[in-house]
Amino acid sequence: EIVLTQSPGTLSLSPGERATLSCRASQSVSSSYLAWYQQKPGQAPRLLIYGASSRATGIPDRFSGSGSGTDFTLTISRLEPEDFAVYYCQQYGRGVTFGPGTKVDIK
Amino acid sequence: EVQLVESGGVVVQPGGSLRLSCAASGFTFDDYTMHWVRQAPGKGLEWVSLISWDGGSTYYADSVKGRFTISRDNSKNSLYLQMNSLRTEDTALYYCAKGGGAVAGYFDYWGQGTLVTVSS
Repeated sequence: EIVLTQSPGTLSLSPGERATLSCRASQSVSSSYLAWYQQKPGQAPRLLIYGASSRATGIPDRFSGSGSGTDFTLTISRLEPEDFAVYYCQQYGRGVTFGPGTKVDIK
Repeated sequence: EVQLVESGGVVVQPGGSLRLSCAASGFTFDDYTMHWVRQAPGKGLEWVSLISWDGGSTYYADSVKGRFTISRDNSKNSLYLQMNSLRTEDTALYYCAKGGGAVAGYFDYWGQGTLVTVSS
């Protein structure tokens, strides 16, 4: 099983700042089959990024994904108030596993 | 507009059984792989099972293999999860999710979830 580790566990930032979230895999993720989701309290997760760097439909361009192999990054260029949430990475290259999540909260 | 609406979540005793349903609309249901994903209270996401577009292939997480069965009825645009031999650790919000793209291993649309509580 591919284990995903996300860091940091919590990121405290102010609106307008840049957020950089990391996702590291225990083995190489084939074909960059890595996705990112946003989840707000009481809501279902929302797909942000798939294929490591492709934005899902309707996702603002302040969200971007990068990386390959075992190291992946989600960047939010300028945090909007609605971006404070928990973010999960997920790999689908070998089975399906999720990372434990990174909480982005207001500083 | 894609909609996924889960139902069937209740409180059930350990060892009991339950069947979850997911009604899909807004897309051509029988073109897509479908998944169940769960989230224990206050915890992260855990993939549970998937079924191919025609029901011919199914896969399960090790934690539910042999106890849960995924199925679909394309004539009714519906997805199901039969849950047997339930354990307290199965307590979670169960989401129905549509597989995205050709690979179908990520989830581009999610329902709002149905809560399963396993408790005596």
